[in-house]
Amino acid sequence: GESVGLHLPTLSVQEGDNSIINCAYSNSASDYFIWYKQESGKGPQFIIDIRSNMDKRQGQRVTVLLNKTVKHLSLQIAATQPGDSAVYFCAEIPPLTGGGNKLTFGTGTQLKVEL
Amino acid sequence: EAGVTQSPTHLIKTRGQQATLRCSPISGHTSVYWYQQALGLGLQFLLWYDEGEERNRGNFPPRFSGRQFPNYSSELNVNALELEDSALYLCASSFVSGSNLGNTFGSGTRLTVV
Repeated sequence: GESVGLHLPTLSVQEGDNSIINCAYSNSASDYFIWYKQESGKGPQFIIDIRSNMDKRQGQRVTVLLNKTVKHLSLQIAATQPGDSAVYFCAEIPPLTGGGNKLTFGTGTQLKVEL
Repeated sequence: EAGVTQSPTHLIKTRGQQATLRCSPISGHTSVYWYQQALGLGLQFLLWYDEGEERNRGNFPPRFSGRQFPNYSSELNVNALELEDSALYLCASSFVSGSNLGNTFGSGTRLTVV
């Protein structure tokens, strides 16, 4: 079946540094991707999304890059802060089918911010 | 505006019993999605309800079922509980039928099967 995976299970960065979290996806027909942040004891929180017709999208301190050639997605966090410590998931949405639309998630990357 | 609310926050059941989990979507959202998040794993899609109908289900056995009520709240039922059903069950709602755009998650119900 289709899957979305992450390259690194844990990422440790120093406070103030930039963080880069990577994700590989397998469904080349997916046309929408989302990054979520999940803090301990909470549900996933939307961070940023990107459509397949884009290769970059910027938000507040976050940038998502999409490389469709190698089916790779990355999340860049600028000036990482202690509050950024969480598990980050990428998710893909395949094109709408008669069976409906659902998110496919990877395992996640644990981001640890060191003071 | 209240977010997606789930109850209970924690649930402990014995193997073989049944569990019922509840979800109230954001006001105006008609689609409800259920996901299972086992420890150390990603979120696995369980069920999707929209306008009171089950629209799609993931690769889970029939003992996982649910329903959506006229007020768009939803219930997930797990029958004949097994130890491996222990997980965080997350509900998400969406304002666009059939789409995860604008998807908002609740904080989940932690189900422990002993």
